[in-house]
Amino acid sequence: EVQLLESGGGLAQPGESLRLSCEASGFAFDTYAMSWVRQAPGRGLEWVSAIDSTSGSGTHYADSVKGRFTISRDSSKNTLYLQMNSLTVEDTAIYYCVRPRTSVAHTRFFDPWGQGTRVTVSS
Amino acid sequence: DIQMTQSPSSVSASVGDRVSITCRASQDISSSLGWYQQRPGKAPKLLIFSASILQSGGPSRFSGSGSGTDFTLTINSLQPEDLATYYCQQTNSFPLTFGGGTKVEIK
Repeated sequence: EVQLLESGGGLAQPGESLRLSCEASGFAFDTYAMSWVRQAPGRGLEWVSAIDSTSGSGTHYADSVKGRFTISRDSSKNTLYLQMNSLTVEDTAIYYCVRPRTSVAHTRFFDPWGQGTRVTVSS
Repeated sequence: DIQMTQSPSSVSASVGDRVSITCRASQDISSSLGWYQQRPGKAPKLLIFSASILQSGGPSRFSGSGSGTDFTLTINSLQPEDLATYYCQQTNSFPLTFGGGTKVEIK
């Protein structure tokens, strides 16, 4: 069974950092590009960042997080990361780890989704 | 960036009704369009990909159509379990973008 298990969320003050993790299981992790998608309270979905499979080296970011967030992966641990620096209150959201439905390059329809990890940025 | 505009923002319908949700892209995205269902308190779930292909396990009452800039998600014979918010997403280019969502309520 394919599973994505996020962790690392919590409460941070503005300007602080958090690192989210997503442990993947049930599929060949290193053959899939991976992404993070977030959802602010009561709001819609916002794609945050993507990283190519380990055969590629590309990363992509939403303008709202570029320069502050860094996506990375560790194939030896089947884990995806999101390093979030210089957090602002606008980063408050549930952060979902997502996988494309297939490992075919440029497939960006997300299935499955993790259960999400909540990040709250508040003073 | 490609903007995705969904309408309506909410719809209320009776069990058995047909419900249609539209999504418009700010530029041609061919068939690079997906639809997601998010039930209250749950993570989103992929319903339709490539504009019209039903994801495995998805109920056959859901269908998608369109290409280019205009797309439609149709729910034939609305069921109580379809209470949810529905989002479209373009996958044509980064940054990937979602529509604002359509909340479907049951009368």
